Amino acid sequence: EIVLTQSPGTLSLSPGERATLSCRASQSVGTRYIGWYQQKPGQAPRLLIYATSSRATGSPDRFSGSGSGTDFTLTISRLEPEDFAVYYCQHFSETFVAFGGGTKVEIK
Amino acid sequence: EVRLLESGGGLVQPGDSLRLSCAASGFTFSTYAMTWVRQTPGKGLEWVAAISGDGEYIYYRDSVKGRFTISRDNSKNTLSLQMSSLRAEDTAVFYCAKNLVNGIAVYDSWGQGTLVTVSS
Repeated sequence: EIVLTQSPGTLSLSPGERATLSCRASQSVGTRYIGWYQQKPGQAPRLLIYATSSRATGSPDRFSGSGSGTDFTLTISRLEPEDFAVYYCQHFSETFVAFGGGTKVEIK
Repeated sequence: EVRLLESGGGLVQPGDSLRLSCAASGFTFSTYAMTWVRQTPGKGLEWVAAISGDGEYIYYRDSVKGRFTISRDNSKNTLSLQMSSLRAEDTAVFYCAKNLVNGIAVYDSWGQGTLVTVSS
């Protein structure tokens, strides 16, 4: 089973700055199988990116995804106040789904 | 508009059973695989079980195999999770979630979650 490791655990940035979040898989995976979610306190996760780089419906274009093999990245080009939240990457196979441990993006 | 509404959570003792339900609306339920994901309070997300649109294919994480049963009633647009032999480590908010499309198991719609607390 794939294990996903997200880094950093916490990212302290100011509004307007660029955020770069990392997700590393324990073995090489196809780009089709990686997604990213945003979760705010008291809310369910919200799908941002699927298939590594495709934006989900309603996901602002300041969110972008990239990567291949074992290393994947979520980039927020310019942080808006509503972007401060926890972000999770996810991998799926036919029989198992793994989530990363999350990166908290907090206001500096 | 897609809506998913979980119910059935509560406080139970170790070893007890509990059945969670998820009422779906706003989409053709039978054509989408569905999933249960849980989240321990203050911690991350953990996939629990998934079921194909027709109910033919079912998958579980190892820690719940033999204790949890996922099922669906496409005539009632309802997803269920029967949980037995509950343990303290099963304490979590349980979400039902809808697959984006068949073949891509990322989740574009989630319910609000239902809290299951296992404690003596």
